[in-house]
Amino acid sequence: AQSVSQHNHHVILSEAASLELGCNYSYGGTVNLFWYVQYPGQHLQLLLKYFSGDPLVKGIKGFEAEFIKSKFSFNLRKPSVQWSDTAEYFCAVRGSQGNLIFGKGTKLSVKP
Amino acid sequence: ETGVTQTPRHLVMGMTNKKSLKCEQHLGHNAMYWYKQSAKKPLELMFVYNFKEQTENNSVPSRFSPECPNSSHLFLHLHTLQPEDSALYLCASSQDSNYGYTFGSGTRLTVV
Repeated sequence: AQSVSQHNHHVILSEAASLELGCNYSYGGTVNLFWYVQYPGQHLQLLLKYFSGDPLVKGIKGFEAEFIKSKFSFNLRKPSVQWSDTAEYFCAVRGSQGNLIFGKGTKLSVKP
Repeated sequence: ETGVTQTPRHLVMGMTNKKSLKCEQHLGHNAMYWYKQSAKKPLELMFVYNFKEQTENNSVPSRFSPECPNSSHLFLHLHTLQPEDSALYLCASSQDSNYGYTFGSGTRLTVV
């Protein structure tokens, strides 16, 4: 079955620290990959997406993600986090039926 | 505002009640989705509608009944729910399979 694994349930960082959130997927076909963010009390928002081309994808608010096909990974990174990045982050892959399959999410808490 | 509006934002209902959740989008999207978001679990896809036709029912219990009268509106009718159905119910829409989803803010449902 297609699935997405996010290994970190809760990550706590200080401001200005670098961030990397892991995401691995199990799907052998052409992949469309996404990262969504959910700020406290708000809706899910698209951070970035990968369909094809350059495996290093830049998104909004300074986030980027790298697609590594050999590792089935699509890790999210940010060089220097801010308190306002406190949120829950969801990785997703488009499945064979065209629907998005989400991971369990990673909560990021940034200490000021 | 995301362009996808869900009402009500919060709902408390007894196990014998009947209620409905509403989702509305005026983005011109042709696909709409219901997801269930529970703590510490991945977002669970419940139903998919493409051009008003239901294309997926992800083994959802019959106490959840979707309705899509047109491509802009999606309902989730609820009856005889169980306490474990308490969750955040998210509606999303998309243009087609080449795009990500636009999510609503969700309805926080509590079954007592």
